[in-house]
Amino acid sequence: DIQLTQSPSFLSASIGDRVTITCRASQDISSYLSWYQQKPGKAPELLIYAASTLQSGVPARFSGSGSGTEFTLTISSLQPEDFATYYCQHLKSYPLTFGGGTKVEIK
Amino acid sequence: EVQLVESGGGLVQPGGSLRLSCAASGFTFSDHYMDWVRQAPGKGLEWVGRIRNKANSHTTEYAASVKGRFTISRDDSKKSLYLQVNSLKIEDTAVYYCVRSSDGKFDTFYVWGQGTMVTVSS
Repeated sequence: DIQLTQSPSFLSASIGDRVTITCRASQDISSYLSWYQQKPGKAPELLIYAASTLQSGVPARFSGSGSGTEFTLTISSLQPEDFATYYCQHLKSYPLTFGGGTKVEIK
Repeated sequence: EVQLVESGGGLVQPGGSLRLSCAASGFTFSDHYMDWVRQAPGKGLEWVGRIRNKANSHTTEYAASVKGRFTISRDDSKKSLYLQVNSLKIEDTAVYYCVRSSDGKFDTFYVWGQGTMVTVSS
């Protein structure tokens, strides 16, 4: 099975900060990686798929990059509504695993 | 508007069974793969399984933790997805999400339902 390791698992940041979350895969997954945002008590929402394609309706301050085994999600200027937990997921092969999550909190 | 509405969750004893349902609207249900994902209280996301579209013969895939106990099915005429959960264990306690995924182009989890809670307890 392909394992995904997210770092950090927790980060504290201020409004306007640039935030970067990393997701490392245990083997090459090409660009078969998605990112999701989950707010407390709510279902996850798709942010980015195919490693770098922004889902329709998602603000342009979110971006994704990487291929192979190392990927990043960047929020260029953190907004109040961005405080949430972020998950990466691979879709290279079964099982379709998720990373452990990164909780972004207000500093 | 694309919408997925899960139902059927509840409290069940260890060893028991439930059938979860997901009603879809706002898109061509038969074109899409559909997945189930669960989230134990305070924990991360765990993929449960997938059923492909009619073009791919409605074949299924499962996580090892549920294989042999859970069964995914669909009724395209009713735009509905199902998850039959048998031989439930304490560790199956979670919110179960229905997800619209691949339409044959890019594979990702495009749309999520609001979830239905399954609690396994004696």
